[in-house]
Amino acid sequence: DAGVIQSPRHEVTEMGQEVTLRCKPISGHNSLFWYRQTMMRGLELLIYFNNNVPIDDSGMPEDRFSAKMPNASFSTLKIQPSEPRDSAVYFCASSLGGGAGTEAFFGQGTRLTVV
Amino acid sequence: DQQVKQNSPSLSVQEGRISILNCDYTNSMFDYFLWYKKYPAEGPTFLISISSIKDKNEDGRFTVFLNKSAKHLSLHIVPSQPGDSAVYFCAASDSGTYKYIFGTGTRLKVLA
Repeated sequence: DAGVIQSPRHEVTEMGQEVTLRCKPISGHNSLFWYRQTMMRGLELLIYFNNNVPIDDSGMPEDRFSAKMPNASFSTLKIQPSEPRDSAVYFCASSLGGGAGTEAFFGQGTRLTVV
Repeated sequence: DQQVKQNSPSLSVQEGRISILNCDYTNSMFDYFLWYKKYPAEGPTFLISISSIKDKNEDGRFTVFLNKSAKHLSLHIVPSQPGDSAVYFCAASDSGTYKYIFGTGTRLKVLA
């Protein structure tokens, strides 16, 4: 298996533009997570899905952020409109079952820069 | 509210010596703990885990200790090698949810 695949690897966009980050989880995994890495907060959980259903989106910072998982092999994280403070590395991770007794596998991340 | 805390942002250790990375948590519902290692421009990779029914788990040079009463865990690397230089994240989870809560990370530098 190729692991968790994220695209793009790097994204530079202007403030106010819409940004869409994409993730393909490991086949067979039924939990998917979106994290944002910042210096101040480390790896911050934004949202997680189980069996394609959003379970907890309490980490999504604002209404400008939205995430979807239309099927078991694809998820998107959208920011509209984007702001400079959204600049960070965004990671997608997947796991089999999730939570206690399993580990999450991470993609290589998308480095987002909003200018 | 940071439920998982890594209070040391960085640590430097001589090659061959022991590295000790610490992590504290506040939620008593957490019952599974993990350590991840992250190199620059890569995603975090799983290193070692421990269930709350244990107080120690060992895998080669890596040992994780769990002190439930103190809500504290630590990762020991013996002997440390230059290739261990990375950012280490601890994470916690509980059986009632699917999610993992991560700390802010500790940057380990092993000096040759």
